[in-house]
Amino acid sequence: EIVLTQSPGTLSLSPGERATLSCRAGQSVSSSYLAWYQQKPGQAPRLLIYGASSRATGIPDRFSGSGSGTDFTLTISRLEPEDFAVYYCQQYGSSPLTFGGGTKVEIK
Amino acid sequence: EVQLVGSGGGLVQPGGSLRLSCAASGFTFSSYAMTWVRQAPGKGLEWVSHISGSGGTIEYADSVKGRFTISRDNSKNTLYLQMNSLRAEDTAVYYCAIYTYGNGFDYWGQGTLVTVSS
Repeated sequence: EIVLTQSPGTLSLSPGERATLSCRAGQSVSSSYLAWYQQKPGQAPRLLIYGASSRATGIPDRFSGSGSGTDFTLTISRLEPEDFAVYYCQQYGSSPLTFGGGTKVEIK
Repeated sequence: EVQLVGSGGGLVQPGGSLRLSCAASGFTFSSYAMTWVRQAPGKGLEWVSHISGSGGTIEYADSVKGRFTISRDNSKNTLYLQMNSLRAEDTAVYYCAIYTYGNGFDYWGQGTLVTVSS
């Protein structure tokens, strides 16, 4: 099983600031099958990034993903009020599919 | 517009059974793999199971293997999760989602709450 470790657990930032979220895998993620999801309270998760760096349909270009192998990053270039949420990374290259523990981005 | 509407959740006693459904619309259901993901109260996401478009390929998380059964009826555009021998630790919101092998979990339903308690 590929264990995904997200850091930090909580990120306290102000609107307009840059957010950098990390996801580290215990072993290499095949074919960069790494996704990022956003979840707001009481809502289902929403796909933001797939294939480590491709934005899903309708996702603003302030969201970007990078990385390969075992180290991946989600960057939000300038935080908008609606971006404060919990973010999860997921690997879907090998079974069992696994999620990281999440990073909460909160308003400072 | 893609829609996934989950149903069938509720309160069940430990050892009991429940069947979740996920009604799909707005896309060619039989062409897509589908998945179930759960989230315990206040916790993170846990993949439970997925099934290919034809139903011929199925996988389960170890935590539910032998107790849960995923299935689909492509004529009814509906995904199912039969849950038997339920335990307190199965208490969670269960989400269905479309699983595109190259893209992850594209679209998610609103979730249905399962509570296992005496």
